[in-house]
Amino acid sequence: QKEVEQDPGPLSVPEGAIVSLNCTYSNSAFQYFMWYRQYSRKGPELLMYTYSSGNKEDGRFTAQVDKSSKYISLFIRDSQPSDSATYLCAMSGGSNYKLTFGKGTLLTVNP
Amino acid sequence: GAVVSQHPSWVICKSGTSVKIECRSLDFQATTMFWYRQFPKQSLMLMATSNEGSKATYEQGVEKDKFLINHASLTLSTLTVTSAHPEDSSFYICSASADRGTDTQYFGPGTRLTVL
Repeated sequence: QKEVEQDPGPLSVPEGAIVSLNCTYSNSAFQYFMWYRQYSRKGPELLMYTYSSGNKEDGRFTAQVDKSSKYISLFIRDSQPSDSATYLCAMSGGSNYKLTFGKGTLLTVNP
Repeated sequence: GAVVSQHPSWVICKSGTSVKIECRSLDFQATTMFWYRQFPKQSLMLMATSNEGSKATYEQGVEKDKFLINHASLTLSTLTVTSAHPEDSSFYICSASADRGTDTQYFGPGTRLTVL
């Protein structure tokens, strides 16, 4: 079992839809959880950062962490064509500061 | 804030030559910088971790003599691909971390290397 599992998609939704992206993980030592957005041929851009369990909202984006289930989510409300990108979950904690990434989910928002 | 730049953004070189890629944190001091490699439609693969003034720590399977990393200051790290070959062609991305407490990394825009 991989440390972080993420459905690679692709996921295609109409403009205005609510998008739900998810990752599961196996390492209970993870404490810091991040979502990155990566456009084609660009570096990842930090979208959301959450420490431990709970919710965090920033504009149209909401990140949720459920440590008891080892499950994290990113919700995008009122999705826009400009949201079309690959979304990577990442997490860290425990004995080192390295990030463990999911494989990324390719999202396309159709106008 | 938290801007990381990379130079060059793309480079084409002949087989056997060496290529240097620079990574700079523009508005913060990076205690740690990371170098990743990414193949098409795949996630990021960590190559090495570097702290200012000390030797880089390489991930298993990464040739330290081929991928030379220098972290000369709190705002600059360089990756040199020595004696490059076509199989080294890839997208190289650096990241920088300012706060060990949160482990948050900020990524550069990446450098696309093509070795002919």
